Amino acid sequence: EPEVTQTPSHQVTQMGQEVILRCVPISNHLYFYWYRQILGQKVEFLVSFYNNEISEKSEIFDDQFSVERPDGSNFTLKIRSTKLEDSAMYFCASSLLTGGAETQYFGPGTRLLVL
Amino acid sequence: GQSLEQPSEVTAVEGAIVQINCTYQTSGFYGLSWYQQHDGGAPTFLSYNALDGLEETGRFSSFLSRSDSYGYLLLQELQMKDSASYFCAVRDPYSSASKIIFGSGTRLSIRP
Repeated sequence: EPEVTQTPSHQVTQMGQEVILRCVPISNHLYFYWYRQILGQKVEFLVSFYNNEISEKSEIFDDQFSVERPDGSNFTLKIRSTKLEDSAMYFCASSLLTGGAETQYFGPGTRLLVL
Repeated sequence: GQSLEQPSEVTAVEGAIVQINCTYQTSGFYGLSWYQQHDGGAPTFLSYNALDGLEETGRFSSFLSRSDSYGYLLLQELQMKDSASYFCAVRDPYSSASKIIFGSGTRLSIRP
């Protein structure tokens, strides 16, 4: 069964450093998402991406964040200058379509720790 | 805005039945979804209710009452592997990409 993959599974970085989190969505999907989950809290939407551009972003997704689809398979989230409060689990998700009944498939996540 | 309320923790016994409730306040509504998340794992889709009533998938069932803005997830014949967090979720009807809004999650602990 097709699945969303993410690398790395864990990332430790120093405050102020740049990190790039990578995702390979399901191959025929058209909509891509990043979500974040701070330890012990709920999953929060960060950004959605469609047709090679951001379709929507949350208040969390400030100028420190960017997303890119550099080729036909990868979808990346870049944090330019990490802060302690960026420590969280980051999930990539993809879906074929949008709409109430359409399922978003989540990757296994990247656990980011900022020291 | 959208908000979902669910209990933070529920404890049950292996082999028993447990119900996890969710109430929601939304300015628009497509339907209610449920996700399972094991510790350190990704949210995994369990079920979706767009219409009132009960949807059954194996040991799991989900119920929706749109008039009451209420739903629940019912887990039967509980197994130890069902120990996880369960999130109710809605799609934001004003989101162009149908972003998911999650509840705060219910941690289900199962005792032998």
